[in-house]
Amino acid sequence: EAGVAQSPRYKIIEKRQSVAFWCNPISGHATLYWYQQILGQGPKLLIQFQNNGVVDDSQLPKDRFSAERLKGVDSTLKIQPAKLEDSAVYLCASSSMDYRGTQYFGPGTRLLVL
Amino acid sequence: GIQVEQSPPDLILQEGANSTLRCNFSDSVNNLQWFHQNPWGQLINLFYIPSGTKQNGRLSATTVATERYSLLYISSSQTTDSGVYFCAVVPGGGNKLTFGTGTQLKVEL
Repeated sequence: EAGVAQSPRYKIIEKRQSVAFWCNPISGHATLYWYQQILGQGPKLLIQFQNNGVVDDSQLPKDRFSAERLKGVDSTLKIQPAKLEDSAVYLCASSSMDYRGTQYFGPGTRLLVL
Repeated sequence: GIQVEQSPPDLILQEGANSTLRCNFSDSVNNLQWFHQNPWGQLINLFYIPSGTKQNGRLSATTVATERYSLLYISSSQTTDSGVYFCAVVPGGGNKLTFGTGTQLKVEL
């Protein structure tokens, strides 16, 4: 069974530029999550989708971050404009049921904002 | 919100040694997972264990939900066990997986 796929793996941008990350969850998984992991900390949930609907986006900085999950499968996370403090690893995870189920993580995208 | 504290924060072991990592949480939970984040940053699922005991090879885990803690046992440690171990919980009534403070483990030859 293929795991969670993410791209790109690395991205370097200047502040105020925009960037987009892509995630393909495990086949058949209804729930998809985006996390932000700052160096030295545990991952923090940004947004949670159930199929193509948003379950929780309370910790998503909506003035600059946006996410969508078209057709309930792939998802993209966008940052526009980026700030220095957005430098982090962005992790995508999926689970077959809701937040009570086991979450499986992708390899992450390392973002550096200069 | 729920507090998730892990101990010890750092641990250095000689290869072959055993260790116990602890996770304390401040409220009831309906999901608890242990993860290993390897030196390349990949988060690997070790256990889904909101209660009870599970074993997988050299690793085992026990969660005592009524006393709000979970333990991860690593036996006969290997250098490939190095990395950060995270405990993560979803509080009862909540819907977000909250990660603990992590334990940084280094296994030396």
